[in-house]
Amino acid sequence: DIQMTQSPSTLSASVGDRVTITCRASQSISSWLAWYRQKPGKAPEFLISKASSLESGVPSRFSGSGSGTEFTLTISSLQPDDFATYYCQQYNNYPLTFGGGTKVEIK
Amino acid sequence: EVQLLESGGDLVQPGGSLRLSCVASGFTFSSYAMSWVRQAPGKGLEWVSTISGSGGSTYYAVSVQGRFILSRDNSKNTLSVQMNSLRVEDTAVYYCAKVGLVGVTRDAFDFWGQGTMVTVSS
Repeated sequence: DIQMTQSPSTLSASVGDRVTITCRASQSISSWLAWYRQKPGKAPEFLISKASSLESGVPSRFSGSGSGTEFTLTISSLQPDDFATYYCQQYNNYPLTFGGGTKVEIK
Repeated sequence: EVQLLESGGDLVQPGGSLRLSCVASGFTFSSYAMSWVRQAPGKGLEWVSTISGSGGSTYYAVSVQGRFILSRDNSKNTLSVQMNSLRVEDTAVYYCAKVGLVGVTRDAFDFWGQGTMVTVSS
């Protein structure tokens, strides 16, 4: 199974900050990586596919990069709506696996 | 507008069975693979199972293999999972999720339902 490791597990930041979350795969997954945002008590929301393709309707402050085993999600200017938990997920092969999550908290 | 509406979550005793359903609307259901993803209380996301658009192919996490059976009725736009031999560790919110690309079984999940809670406890 491909293990997905996110860092940090928790991040404290302020509105307007630039935030970067890292996701590492235990083996190469090419660019088959997605990012999701999950607000408390809600279902996950799809943000990015193929490591860097922004989903339609997702604000441009979100961006993704990377390939192979190392990936990043960047929020260029954190907004109040962005205080949430973020997950990466590989879909290179089965079993599909998620990272453990990164909780973005208010500083 | 894509909508996914899960139902069937309940409190069940260990060893019991439960059937969850997800009714889809707003897209051509039979063209897309569908999945279940679960989240134990206070924990992260865990993929459970995926079924192809035709229903001819299914994939399961090792943790549920042999106990869960995924099916779909394309005439009713409904995805179902029959959960047998339930364990305490199956306690979670179960989300129905749509695979993003037509005709593939592996892709990002572009739409999610609101989830249904399954509690396994004596």
